[in-house]
Amino acid sequence: AQTVTQSQPEMSVQEAETVTLSCTYDTSENNYYLFWYKQPPSRQMILVIRQEAYKQQNATENRFSVNFQKAAKSFSLKISDSQLGDTAMYFCAFKNTGTASKLTFGTGTRLQVTL
Amino acid sequence: SAVISQKPSRDICQRGTSLTIQCQVDSQVTMMFWYRQQPGQSLTLIATANQGSEATYESGFVIDKFPISRPNLTFSTLTVSNMSPEDSSIYLCSARDRVRTDTQYFGPGTRLTVL
Repeated sequence: AQTVTQSQPEMSVQEAETVTLSCTYDTSENNYYLFWYKQPPSRQMILVIRQEAYKQQNATENRFSVNFQKAAKSFSLKISDSQLGDTAMYFCAFKNTGTASKLTFGTGTRLQVTL
Repeated sequence: SAVISQKPSRDICQRGTSLTIQCQVDSQVTMMFWYRQQPGQSLTLIATANQGSEATYESGFVIDKFPISRPNLTFSTLTVSNMSPEDSSIYLCSARDRVRTDTQYFGPGTRLTVL
């Protein structure tokens, strides 16, 4: 079974600074998908970024980028120019290919952006 | 991306009663899911809502406690039956994107408190 590990329960960053959230996963599959979701206090789960394992290029979405290290099974999220609105829980998630496969979530990292 | 709405957004219920949560997607989707998120925890999949057939439940969840309906490709309901305080959680509806079928989007969640 796949597992997703987020080893940082809480992190803090000052506004305008850069922060990196870590995520590791375990799988024997070669093709799969990785995601970062953001859940602010409003509790809406928002998709931040998506990575396909067969693509070597790291995904980016505006201020959000990932460092995908397939051999190390690592998928970290970098947030540049942090904003107060980035304060949220961040969940890393894994999904195998195939319609029957399901999302596996990590335990989350609570990020606080401060002035 | 799919836009998902849920009703109610929150409710406070008495022990022993039942609550039905509605989930509406703005486009036809093949797969819909129901998750539970207990306070401070990650997401746990309750079941996959299948259109035209019974839902597929994960280990630890049963149809008598969490009956699910999915009458069409845009709508689903989850009922939490015979509630106890342990059912106090956020319940989230999710759907797979029609085009990027590996990607899931989430509704805003229903915060349930059972007294």
